Amino acid sequence: DVKVTQSSRYLVKRTGEKVFLECVQDMDHENMFWYRQDPGLGLRLIYFSYDVKMKEKGDIPEGYSVSREKKERFSLILESASTNQTSMYLCASRVGGQETQYFGPGTRLLVL
Amino acid sequence: QKEVEQNSGPLSVPEGAIASLNCTYSDRGSQSFFWYRQYSGKSPELIMSIYSNGDKEDGRFTAQLNKASQYVSLLIRDSQPSDSATYLCAVVKAAGNKLTFGGGTRVLVKP
Repeated sequence: DVKVTQSSRYLVKRTGEKVFLECVQDMDHENMFWYRQDPGLGLRLIYFSYDVKMKEKGDIPEGYSVSREKKERFSLILESASTNQTSMYLCASRVGGQETQYFGPGTRLLVL
Repeated sequence: QKEVEQNSGPLSVPEGAIASLNCTYSDRGSQSFFWYRQYSGKSPELIMSIYSNGDKEDGRFTAQLNKASQYVSLLIRDSQPSDSATYLCAVVKAAGNKLTFGGGTRVLVKP
């Protein structure tokens, strides 16, 4: 079974803090993704990575950065958290060249 | 116009009835279509994928694709209370291989 884990299920941070969200997958998948999910808006792609040290902007990259130093780990960084970044953050991974994505359990982030 | 549109619901269905969910997309060149189910507080899980026009059945689920009309639908037969969830439609557009999601349809199956 594919397993995608995220470092925290719930996180509370203050405005201006630097926030790290970590995602780890154990299936040697090449591709990894970060989404945020807000009511009525579905999932929106923030960043994705096709391979180690590679990254590409998704649809809403502003205010975020990512890091992929190892194949199994993909980190999402909020350089200076703002209240409009309060959301559910979902990580996903997949085998390169295939379309099925496997999701982690999500991190619900509250920025006060 | 959103790239992938779904009625947000809730779609209320009596137990044992058929739930019918619709999804329309704007990119005519889209090639791959997916339905994900998401229980409250959980992450999405893939339940169906469809790539060519027509119907695809998997157990109680049937996905229907009509590329000419740019819609994909999901039928849930013999709906059960455990089917109560939000169903997300996702599309891979012609250019690139990223998933674009609709806003989801909330389904409520009443015993």
